[in-house]
Amino acid sequence: KAGVTQTPRYLIKTRGQQVTLSCSPISGHRSVSWYQQTPGQGLQFLFEYFSETQRNKGNFPGRFSGRQFSNSRSEMNVSTLELGDSALYLCASSQTLGGIAEAFFGQGTRLTVV
Amino acid sequence: SQQGEEDPQALSIQEGENATMNCSYKTSINNLQWYRQNSGRGLVHLILIRSNEREKHSGRLRVTLDTSKKSSSLLITASRAADTASYFCATDAGAAGNKLTFGGGTRVLVKP
Repeated sequence: KAGVTQTPRYLIKTRGQQVTLSCSPISGHRSVSWYQQTPGQGLQFLFEYFSETQRNKGNFPGRFSGRQFSNSRSEMNVSTLELGDSALYLCASSQTLGGIAEAFFGQGTRLTVV
Repeated sequence: SQQGEEDPQALSIQEGENATMNCSYKTSINNLQWYRQNSGRGLVHLILIRSNEREKHSGRLRVTLDTSKKSSSLLITASRAADTASYFCATDAGAAGNKLTFGGGTRVLVKP
C-alpha cells in the first residue's frame, strides 16, 4: 500500500499570499488530520476531516481552513500568509474515527513565508 | 498546547547501548502512540499502546504505560546509528475524532 502523500514538498510564498497544500491518505483511510510543526510551538493539531466533514478543529485563526473530498483526499488552505506561518505541515491518515487506530503521517510540506 | 512532556529533551549514547525516554501527560487518554522523526521530515509511526495495556513490544522497542501516573516510557535496545532521530509521544484523549496531542520530543544521538 502506498503511504500518505503530501504535495508539494517545499513551498516559498510571500507575506499576504495564500497557499493550498494537498494530502492523499492511505487507500481505505477516511480520516485525515493536519498538524503544524514549528521549532517554538512543536507539533500542533490544526483540524481533522472524516467523510468530508470537519470533526475536530484546533486553536488556529480562521485563515487556516481545509476540506476533504469524496475520495478522502484533503486540502488545507492558508490565506493572507504571515511570517509566523512558516512551518512543516504534516498530514496524517487513520482508518477509523475515534481513538483506536494508528495515525500514519506523510513527509510533510515545508512552507517558508518571506 | 502540548499535553505531554518528554524527558530527557536530549540523549546521547554509544551504539549498542539502550536508550530510554519518558513521556508524561495530563488528561485521561484512549491510547498513546510513539513516533520517530528524522531531521524535520515526516513522522514514522513506531507503536500504539492502548489505555488498558501496560506493556508492548515491537522488535527492539519496548513501551510501557502507567495510567495511574499518566506516564509512558520508550526503550530502544541495542541502539544503532540509524536510530538517531527525535522521538515523540502523542496521546489521543478519545473524544470524537482522531486528535493527537504531542509532547515536545526527545532528541536521540547514537554515536558509532
